[in-house]
Amino acid sequence: EPEVTQTPSHQVTQMGQEVILRCVPISNHLYFYWYRQILGQKVEFLVSFYNNEISEKSEIFDDQFSVERPDGSNFTLKIRSTKLEDSAMYFCASSEGTGMNTEAFFGQGTRLTVV
Amino acid sequence: AQKVTQAQTEISVVEKEDVTLDCVYETRDTTYYLFWYKQPPSGELVFLIRRNSFDEQNEISGRYSWNFQKSTSSFNFTITASQVVDSAVYFCALRPYNNNDMRFGAGTRLTVKP
Repeated sequence: EPEVTQTPSHQVTQMGQEVILRCVPISNHLYFYWYRQILGQKVEFLVSFYNNEISEKSEIFDDQFSVERPDGSNFTLKIRSTKLEDSAMYFCASSEGTGMNTEAFFGQGTRLTVV
Repeated sequence: AQKVTQAQTEISVVEKEDVTLDCVYETRDTTYYLFWYKQPPSGELVFLIRRNSFDEQNEISGRYSWNFQKSTSSFNFTITASQVVDSAVYFCALRPYNNNDMRFGAGTRLTVKP
């Protein structure tokens, strides 16, 4: 069964460093998403991406964050200068569309720890 | 504004008991989608069900059933004859028809004891 894959599963970085989280969405999906879950809290929407551009973003997704689809398969989230409060599980997701086939399938997550 | 409320923070049951997880939502949209996701201890988010706002038919899938009541803005999830493997955090989520911003509830941690 096709699945969303994320690498790495766990990343530790020093405060102020740049990190790139990588995702390979399901191949026939058109919409891509990043969500964040601070430990023990709810899952929060960060950004959605369609047709090579951001379609929606939340207030969390500030200038420190950027997303890119550098080739036909990868979808990345970059955090430019990490802060301690960026420590969280980051989930990538993809969906076929936003109409009837609208469920998002999530990857297994990347746990980011900023020290 | 959209909001999903899962008032039950934690539920603990003994194996074989039935358990219902509550979800209440708020939205101004007339067309929207509701979801349930399971997050087992391993951390991934597993899709369980999607319900369209214009389809109030309840659904049963094995031991799982969902009760969607538009009149009370609720989308409750029942597990019948619970098993230890059902132990997880369960999230209810809401998404407008024409928007990609899916809002999650705070989650309900279900513990099923043997």
